[in-house]
Amino acid sequence: QSVLTQPPSVSAAPGQKVTISCSGSSSNIGNNYVSWYQQLPGTAPKLLIYDNDQRPSGIPDRFSGSKSGTSATLAITGLQTGDEADYYCGTWDGSLSDYVVFGGGTKLTVL
Amino acid sequence: QVQLVQSGAEVRKPGSSVKVSCQASGGTFRNYPINWVRQAPGQGLEWMGAIIPVFDTTNYNYAQKFQGRVTISTDESTNMAYMELSGLRSEDTAIYYCARESKVTTTFDYWGQGTLVTVSS
Repeated sequence: QSVLTQPPSVSAAPGQKVTISCSGSSSNIGNNYVSWYQQLPGTAPKLLIYDNDQRPSGIPDRFSGSKSGTSATLAITGLQTGDEADYYCGTWDGSLSDYVVFGGGTKLTVL
Repeated sequence: QVQLVQSGAEVRKPGSSVKVSCQASGGTFRNYPINWVRQAPGQGLEWMGAIIPVFDTTNYNYAQKFQGRVTISTDESTNMAYMELSGLRSEDTAIYYCARESKVTTTFDYWGQGTLVTVSS
């Protein structure tokens, strides 16, 4: 059972937009920055979004992040088949000894 | 460009220990927190712990689940980080990743390629 809650799966057609939610609490998302990681099949996670809505260099602006209260959202526009991957949200948690927490991951299928 | 290169796959028997290494190339571990995250087959990411340099000392933060079984260390002279897990059980079968934590903000900006540890009798 993950501390952060994500939908197990989402799907959309190529070219469409999809959003992935990440729900937490005041001890984690509510008071800390959220990051998003993309894990392509058989590879290591890769940083996609940091500080709620910032993209590292090299990440296309089709990927965007936002945060409101104790929830965060990753949006992907202009979906491509190469975006099929697992997406994880992560943040820090001030109430636990496990000071880094992740969502359970969301599998994106591009139909 | 920073790359984190981890040691190869390991097979261990239940009750034994494993030590996974992570070497930085194109950069350094000096003054960066290094975290370890694992992923069991078909499962999500699970944070294990971190080694955190603070001025002239080093802090350690381990997930409660792994307290007493995991040891994280670094060797700055060789740019290596290590994660040792003892008392292995079949549930520890997973891919283990090292991840460098950004100095500028709280995120994992570089990840190793992962090391598969299989625990089987």
